[in-house]
Amino acid sequence: DARVTQTPRHKVTEMGQEVTMRCQPILGHNTVFWYRQTMMQGLELLAYFRNRAPLDDSGMPKDRFSAEMPDATLATLKIQPSEPRDSAVYFCASGSPGGAIYDTQYFGPGTRLTVL
Amino acid sequence: AQKVTQAQTEISVVEKEDVTLDCVYETRDTTYYLFWYKQPPSGELVFLIRRNSFDEQNEISGRYSWNFQKSTSSFNFTITASQVVDSAVYFCALTTSNFGNEKLTFGTGTRLTIIP
Repeated sequence: DARVTQTPRHKVTEMGQEVTMRCQPILGHNTVFWYRQTMMQGLELLAYFRNRAPLDDSGMPKDRFSAEMPDATLATLKIQPSEPRDSAVYFCASGSPGGAIYDTQYFGPGTRLTVL
Repeated sequence: AQKVTQAQTEISVVEKEDVTLDCVYETRDTTYYLFWYKQPPSGELVFLIRRNSFDEQNEISGRYSWNFQKSTSSFNFTITASQVVDSAVYFCALTTSNFGNEKLTFGTGTRLTIIP
């Protein structure tokens, strides 16, 4: 049963600290998305990659957020420095097996981030 | 611009009743994809169904059924003989196949509570 995995599942940190969230997409999926879920904004896209290249990161605050794919099996989302308003659940999703232009996005369990 | 409206914020029904969750979408694209995701209390986002814009055939999967009507831009979801395990937040979502713009646009979700 192939699944997207995310670590850590929960993270509590203090304002100003660096936070790194990791995602392992489903093997063979070449597209990875990062979404953020908050009560106020709902689910919104932060960035996404295809074949490890960024295609859209317009939803991400550039001054403190960065997203990368060091290899095909790992995507990272970093926040430095973190702020209380970054508290949210961060979801990773993967899709497009076999290089299809579009396919269903399958979500990981999310990382619940709390910044004090 | 794309938009998904889920006008029902919360619904409560007694177990074994049927319930329909409404979803209305807006898009200028002629090719698009519609989805329903389930978010149980544990927090993960579970894919339920995907429907292409050129396929208006309704679908049934066990107690779940979906009614897609392009004429009214709606993609409604019905649960028959509801069960307590159906209690969750349900999200309707929309995307296109436009390269570089493949993000999911989510509705605000409908919180469904099944009363035993």
